[in-house]
Amino acid sequence: AQTVTQSQPEMSVQEAETVTLSCTYDTSESDYYLFWYKQPPSRQMILVIRQEAYKQQNATENRFSVNFQKAAKSFSLKISDSQLGDAAMYFCAYRSWNNDMRFGAGTRLTVKP
Amino acid sequence: NAGVTQTPKFQVLKTGQSMTLQCAQDMNHEYMSWYRQDPGMGLRLIHYSVGAGITDQGEVPNGYNVSRSTTEDFPLRLLSAAPSQTSVYFCASSKGQGRTEAFFGQGTRLTVV
Repeated sequence: AQTVTQSQPEMSVQEAETVTLSCTYDTSESDYYLFWYKQPPSRQMILVIRQEAYKQQNATENRFSVNFQKAAKSFSLKISDSQLGDAAMYFCAYRSWNNDMRFGAGTRLTVKP
Repeated sequence: NAGVTQTPKFQVLKTGQSMTLQCAQDMNHEYMSWYRQDPGMGLRLIHYSVGAGITDQGEVPNGYNVSRSTTEDFPLRLLSAAPSQTSVYFCASSKGQGRTEAFFGQGTRLTVV
């Protein structure tokens, strides 16, 4: 079974600075998809960014970008110009083409003004 | 747009009681699933459905039942509540699997005393 590991239970960043959240996964499949979800205190799960494993180019969405290292099975999220509204739990998730999502334990991000 | 609607948002049960968590989506999504979220463990898959009339077990199915009689609805039944089922429950839906985004309900916080 696929596993997803987020080794940083908590991270903090100064407003306007950059922070990187780590994620590693274990799989024997070659075709899969990776996601980062944000969960603010409202509990709502919000998709931040997704990456297809077959694409070598790293995905970007405005201030959010990923560093996808397929051989190392690593999928980190970089948040640039951090804002107070970025404070949340962040979950890394793995999904194969024919299966449901597997989530990491999450990283709680605090943004200091 | 309603998206994925879960009811109730909060519930307290006594040990041994049964109840049904409701989930409805209005996006005509084929794929629906239930997760539970516990501190330090991320989201774990309970049951999922790839279409009306088809359901299957996820990682932690014991103590829960599901059925999918329509595309829109995917209720989760707790047969005999136990304190170990105290958790936040999320329903999610997506158009398919693979790279498609999963949309989540706002969650149900369940406490079993």
